[in-house]
Amino acid sequence: ETGVTQTPRHLVMGMTNKKSLKCEQHLGHNAMYWYKQSAKKPLELMFVYNFKEQTENNSVPSRFSPECPNSSHLFLHLHTLQPEDSALYLCASSPRPFVEGYTFGSGTRLTVV
Amino acid sequence: AQKVTQAQTEISVVEKEDVTLDCVYETRDTTYYLFWYKQPPSGELVFLIRRNSFDEQNEISGRYSWNFQKSTSSFNFTITASQVVDSAVYFCALSEESGTASKLTFGTGTRLQVTL
Repeated sequence: ETGVTQTPRHLVMGMTNKKSLKCEQHLGHNAMYWYKQSAKKPLELMFVYNFKEQTENNSVPSRFSPECPNSSHLFLHLHTLQPEDSALYLCASSPRPFVEGYTFGSGTRLTVV
Repeated sequence: AQKVTQAQTEISVVEKEDVTLDCVYETRDTTYYLFWYKQPPSGELVFLIRRNSFDEQNEISGRYSWNFQKSTSSFNFTITASQVVDSAVYFCALSEESGTASKLTFGTGTRLQVTL
């Protein structure tokens, strides 16, 4: 149990599908993040939320749409994805700036066919 | 812009050998934090250590030790007497403040394979 739970663990979707990834933390953290991990590339920060407000969108295509209804939940809505979007999507949370490190979830392995 | 370089993509050692994973960083900030994370095959990144830019003391935790050298912008990680369970991908990361939330810049990771 990592403290950050991501569902589903694996997802296969067609390019015309719409799906959502879910992230949940009950650590009392105020900041939540989506990262993308592709093979042989550094982890890429996608979105940052702090106290439910989006503070950063790292030039992510609009086919990825985040939602943060409260400080404990974070979603990533997916639609009309491309095969190159296949990757491990990691959610993380942190208490506040410069404190400890992030707590990561186990990720969702996404395959776009 | 901040950058983290892990030049070693893969390292393979035999159990009980010592191994050092290199990390070199670039930043213009005077206040920053450095981290190491372990990613086992299960996928989640496990936090190992955080070090702030004003604390250059080396740290030892069991078989793990970290050598922070501000003069060379390096934060290297050594595993002593490696074990098969140490096999994982290890990431070095650098923290900056983004608005009111911190964000981490990761290196590309070093895959460590420990064999019997």
